[in-house]
Amino acid sequence: AQKITQTQPGMFVQEKEAVTLDCTYDTSDQSYGLFWYKQPSSGEMIFLIYQGSYDEQNATEGRYSLNFQKARKSANLVISASQLGDSAMYFCAMRGANTDKLIFGTGTRLQVFP
Amino acid sequence: DVKVTQSSRYLVKRTGEKVFLECVQDMDHENMFWYRQDPGLGLRLIYFSYDVKMKEKGDIPEGYSVSREKKERFSLILESASTNQTSMYLCASSTRGGAGGNTIYFGEGSWLTVV
Repeated sequence: AQKITQTQPGMFVQEKEAVTLDCTYDTSDQSYGLFWYKQPSSGEMIFLIYQGSYDEQNATEGRYSLNFQKARKSANLVISASQLGDSAMYFCAMRGANTDKLIFGTGTRLQVFP
Repeated sequence: DVKVTQSSRYLVKRTGEKVFLECVQDMDHENMFWYRQDPGLGLRLIYFSYDVKMKEKGDIPEGYSVSREKKERFSLILESASTNQTSMYLCASSTRGGAGGNTIYFGEGSWLTVV
């Protein structure tokens, strides 16, 4: 069975600082994909970044990067130069090669303060 | 733009009522999903459909059923609503992709309160 664990229920960061949101996963699949989503208070789910298990390089999308450590089964999201608009819930998710089901973690609420 | 539309944003239903949550997507996606979101529990998959009339149970299917008679429409049914089904329900769709980077697109969510 696949499982995603996010151990930080809440995080605070000052504007313009970097922050790391933790995510560990468990799967027996050799091939899998890891995703991060942002959910602002409005409730919409916004796709941020994807990392394939066979990708050599860590994924980056603008201010978002994914620190992928395969041996440790971790896929932490790094947000650089935090902005007030980054305040939201962040979810880590995973999908295995043999399924189209996307499994989510419990989320981390990030609050950015001035 | 991909659009996933959930028919009701806010609903209040009585215990024991039959409740239908409707979801329509306009991108010809094979996969459709129903998730439930609760504080501290994240998003939990209720049911998944990979084709018309095809479905798979997710992690928490008890008390729910689904219907997919047309590719674009996926309905979640609460046969007899109970107060512990008060939650936000999110519909989503995607192409088939396994471990690939094809993303899943979400609707705006339906807030259901059962009294």
